[in-house]
Amino acid sequence: QLQVQESGPGLVKPSETLSLTCTVSGGSISSGGYYWGWIRQPPGKGLEWIGSIYSTGSTYYNPSLKSRVTISVDTSKNQCSLKLSSVSAADTAVYYCARTSSWRFDPWGQGTLVTVSS
Amino acid sequence: QTVVTQEPLLSVSPGGTVTLTCGLNSGSVSTNYYPSWYQQTPGQAPRTLIYTTNTRSSGVPDRFSGSIFGNKAALTITGAQADDESDYYCVLYMGSGIWVFGGGTKLTVL
Repeated sequence: QLQVQESGPGLVKPSETLSLTCTVSGGSISSGGYYWGWIRQPPGKGLEWIGSIYSTGSTYYNPSLKSRVTISVDTSKNQCSLKLSSVSAADTAVYYCARTSSWRFDPWGQGTLVTVSS
Repeated sequence: QTVVTQEPLLSVSPGGTVTLTCGLNSGSVSTNYYPSWYQQTPGQAPRTLIYTTNTRSSGVPDRFSGSIFGNKAALTITGAQADDESDYYCVLYMGSGIWVFGGGTKLTVL
């Protein structure tokens, strides 16, 4: 059964770069022609799509975040990564990784809370 | 800017039927937007309920159904149960690899 798991620092200082990793288990990140997406959820608020990457490396970003986001894939580690630069308190959120297949986000990771604070 | 609209709050009586909708601030939702629906309880990751408008995800009870209702995507819960009390999110595919989530609906069963 395919599973995804987010990992990374839980605290990031303002103006620095947030870096998270999504590790895929139970399957290969490069097989099946899937997309791998990042979604976030600020405390008490709704879900926001950040961006997605195809297994070949093609990327797609939320226009509102595009200037600060980089998503990459490392097939040798079966991981994809998210970098968000110049963070502020508004970037405090639970960050989720999810596979996109058959026009749905599934499965989801459990999410990781990232707090932006000095 | 594209905004996906959902009812912020809805309530349903146990055993009752409720329809949640997912619309656009400009235009109509069709199957070409590949609407999908997710259920989220506090502290948990979202769970896929419905995808490609009306396909139930594995293990989802058949009291959950999806459709296009007028100019919106719709999620209908028939015979609501107490544990259906959750937040529900829709997401639409805008093309060119872009997805937009709705603001979510908080459903109360009372």
